[in-house]
Amino acid sequence: AQSVTQLDSQVPVFEEAPVELRCNYSSSVSVYLFWYVQYPNQGLQLLLKYLSGSTLVKGINGFEAEFNKSQTSFHLRKPSVHISDTAEYFCAVSEGGGADGLTFGKGTHLIIQP
Amino acid sequence: SAVISQKPSRDICQRGTSLTIQCQVDSQVTMMFWYRQQPGQSLTLIATANQGSEATYESGFVIDKFPISRPNLTFSTLTVSNMSPEDSSIYLCSVVGGAGGYTFGSGTRLTVV
Repeated sequence: AQSVTQLDSQVPVFEEAPVELRCNYSSSVSVYLFWYVQYPNQGLQLLLKYLSGSTLVKGINGFEAEFNKSQTSFHLRKPSVHISDTAEYFCAVSEGGGADGLTFGKGTHLIIQP
Repeated sequence: SAVISQKPSRDICQRGTSLTIQCQVDSQVTMMFWYRQQPGQSLTLIATANQGSEATYESGFVIDKFPISRPNLTFSTLTVSNMSPEDSSIYLCSVVGGAGGYTFGSGTRLTVV
């Protein structure tokens, strides 16, 4: 069975600084990888996904992530963060390509400091 | 991508009662997924609902506690039965949308008192 580890429960960053949110996964088969954002008291919004092809994936709001199969990682990056990026970020994996549900990491709370 | 309408958005319920949560999708989908997000926690998959067959439950979740219906390809319900304060969570439904992305409903925030 797959699992997802988000190594940092909380990441404080100054506004306009770069940020990286780490995600590692464990699976015995090929996986699909996702990053979701959850703003306070709101639902989940898909930031980006990796299904196949280029290992560098660009998403919404200036975020990107790189799939590294050898390191089983899918870290999320943004070169310059804004106050509005303050939210909870979840990494998730699917083995079934849409035939099964997602396994989520515990989440990383991104705190943007002015 | 698919649009999901989930209701109620929130409810406060007495312990021992049941609540049924509804999810309506604007397109036909093969599978629908139900998740629970406990306070301050991540999302955990409860079950997968296929139209025309019994739902498949994840470890730790049972049909008697979380019965699911899937009468057609655009609708599903999740019932939280015989509720206790430990059931206070956000419950979300999800479908696989266009191009492999999973779309989520806005969630039902349940408080059991």
